[in-house]
Amino acid sequence: DIQMTQSPSSLSASVGDRVTITCRASQSITTYLNWYQQKPGKAPKLLIYAASSLQSGVPSRFSGTGSGTDFTLTITSLQPEDFATYYCQQTYSTPPDTFGQGTRLEIK
Amino acid sequence: QVQLQESGPGLVKPSETLSLTCTVSGGSIRDYFWSWIRQPPGKGLEWIGYIYYSGTTNYNPSLKSRITISLHTSKTQFSLKLSSVTAADTAVYYCASGFRDGYTLDYWGQGTLVTVSS
Repeated sequence: DIQMTQSPSSLSASVGDRVTITCRASQSITTYLNWYQQKPGKAPKLLIYAASSLQSGVPSRFSGTGSGTDFTLTITSLQPEDFATYYCQQTYSTPPDTFGQGTRLEIK
Repeated sequence: QVQLQESGPGLVKPSETLSLTCTVSGGSIRDYFWSWIRQPPGKGLEWIGYIYYSGTTNYNPSLKSRITISLHTSKTQFSLKLSSVTAADTAVYYCASGFRDGYTLDYWGQGTLVTVSS
């Protein structure tokens, strides 16, 4: 089974900061990697698919890079609405551990 | 724009079967994969399974023996049945859909909390 490990598990940042979240796969998943944003009490929202493709309607301050085992989600110039939990998800092979454990982004 | 809405009991007794329905609007049932995901309170996301309009299904191996996902094309609905539930099945259950594969989820319902308790 492929394990997905996100880091950090939580971080604090300020409006306007640049933030990077990392997701590491236990084996190569090429670019079969998605990123979701989830706000409290809400459903997740797809931000990035196939490692680096921006989902329609998502602001360009969000970007994704990586291939193989190491991936990053970068948010440039944090906005108040960006404070949320972020999940990576591998789609290279079936579950059980499809999603990372999440990274909680909090206001400093 | 696909819209999804979950419905079903919010409380299920241990050992019984959890049954949820997702009503689809704004999209053709033939164009997407239809999935269920759950999230225990305060925890992360778990993919449950999907169905395609052809009837093809794919289930999480850890839940496979207890899951049935069905498509009801005439009603533009799909459903989840999870049998022999325990407290560990208490979670917010989301229905979701995507057109690329059964895992990349473009559209989500708002989620419904199902509590397993006697």
